[in-house]
Amino acid sequence: SSELTQDPAVSVALGQTVRITCQGDSLRSYYASWYQQKPGQAPVLVIYGKNNRPSGIPDRFSGSSSGNTASLTITGAQAEDEADYYCNSRDSSGNRIGVFGGGTKLTVL
Amino acid sequence: QVQLQQWGAGLLKPSETLSLTCAVYGGSFSGYYWSWIRQPPGKGLEWIGEINHSGSTNYNPSLKSRVTISVDTSKNQFSLKLSSVTAADTAVYYCARGCQGHHKPSGGVFYYMDVWGKGTTVTVSS
Repeated sequence: SSELTQDPAVSVALGQTVRITCQGDSLRSYYASWYQQKPGQAPVLVIYGKNNRPSGIPDRFSGSSSGNTASLTITGAQAEDEADYYCNSRDSSGNRIGVFGGGTKLTVL
Repeated sequence: QVQLQQWGAGLLKPSETLSLTCAVYGGSFSGYYWSWIRQPPGKGLEWIGEINHSGSTNYNPSLKSRVTISVDTSKNQFSLKLSSVTAADTAVYYCARGCQGHHKPSGGVFYYMDVWGKGTTVTVSS
């Protein structure tokens, strides 16, 4: 079981806005990071820290957090955003153990 | 631009030891957490463990008894060994660079993995 909980699947109409959430106690202390993974490819970091995008990540991707919940928002979803999305943080034990959420499959309709 | 290149045996028999190595090219080796993550077929990501440049390690408690991560700073490489493998260890294994620090304005802690290897498929079968 994961200490970070994500909805297994979310769908969004092309061009609309979608929010993917991640819940966990450790998120009260740690900012979540978010990864996009397409079939057969390694994960790609899309959001880290308070709301930072690595170079090359479109600005339609943004992150936020409140309490024990972190969110990844895609504003104006594109067909190429269809992928699995994973959140990541340290666990809540204080022992610097990494944890991933179970992943959310995003379908762009 | 930092790149990670990983290699290792892709087919193992039950009870053997998995061994993978990841080389870091184009960047500093110090100041980061050099990590291993795996993904069983059709499943999500699982964090295995990490090591820093001085050799300090953190391991997933569920794998700790079988995992050893080591570092060779002279070659800018780090390695994963997983002993007594079973079919449940069949997965794509990734190496990655981990970063952690404090966001001073808010006091929150950030942790992320910004550079990933391409992955190595490891199959355990008799």
